[in-house]
Amino acid sequence: GAVVSQHPSRVICKSGTSVKIECRSLDFQATTMFWYRQFPKQSLMLMATSNEGSKATYEQGVEKDKFLINHASLTLSTLTVTSAHPEDSSFYICSASPGEAQYFGPGTRLLVL
Amino acid sequence: TQLLEQSPQFLSIQEGENLTVYCNSSSVFSSLQWYRQEPGEGPVLLVTVVTGGEVKKLKRLTFQFGDARKDSSLHITAAQPGDTGLYLCAGASGNNRLAFGKGNQVVVIP
Repeated sequence: GAVVSQHPSRVICKSGTSVKIECRSLDFQATTMFWYRQFPKQSLMLMATSNEGSKATYEQGVEKDKFLINHASLTLSTLTVTSAHPEDSSFYICSASPGEAQYFGPGTRLLVL
Repeated sequence: TQLLEQSPQFLSIQEGENLTVYCNSSSVFSSLQWYRQEPGEGPVLLVTVVTGGEVKKLKRLTFQFGDARKDSSLHITAAQPGDTGLYLCAGASGNNRLAFGKGNQVVVIP
């Protein structure tokens, strides 16, 4: 199957700082990538659709100024959590699709102190 | 909002037993995907079903897509401890966006 990577795998930061998470499709090009967050023992919640060369599309209730998405190339999308607060602590997962199915990255565990 | 209901939420069985979990919705999907997720990792794609009534097999796992493309089931034969995990179903709609169910947590006891 297709391979999607994420970096970093985990990050701990102080409240008020910004954190950037990278999502890469390693063996295919993706004009669209997706960003999810997952709280403990809950399912994945779609945050936004990242579109190469254009603005991201955010789901209802997700602050676009809080979660900045940049999709500058066909293999890389970044999610920046700006001015992070403890309630932003979560598991962030990206996905990309070479065709019909979506393939997920290994996730990034964010802990905001 | 397209909701997918997965049942049972939690299932614990002995090694060697069979099990079936379900994914139901009132919405029609262009395709449905099953994933398995381990703690602290991203979901791993198991199968994609597209055609109503379709049955796909992956070793001891059998996936079926309902005729109306609203529901699906996953049957595991002779479960093994390695089958332990969170099984997520996801329905695809427009723009390839996925809606996830809450998952079926399966524990296979050696």
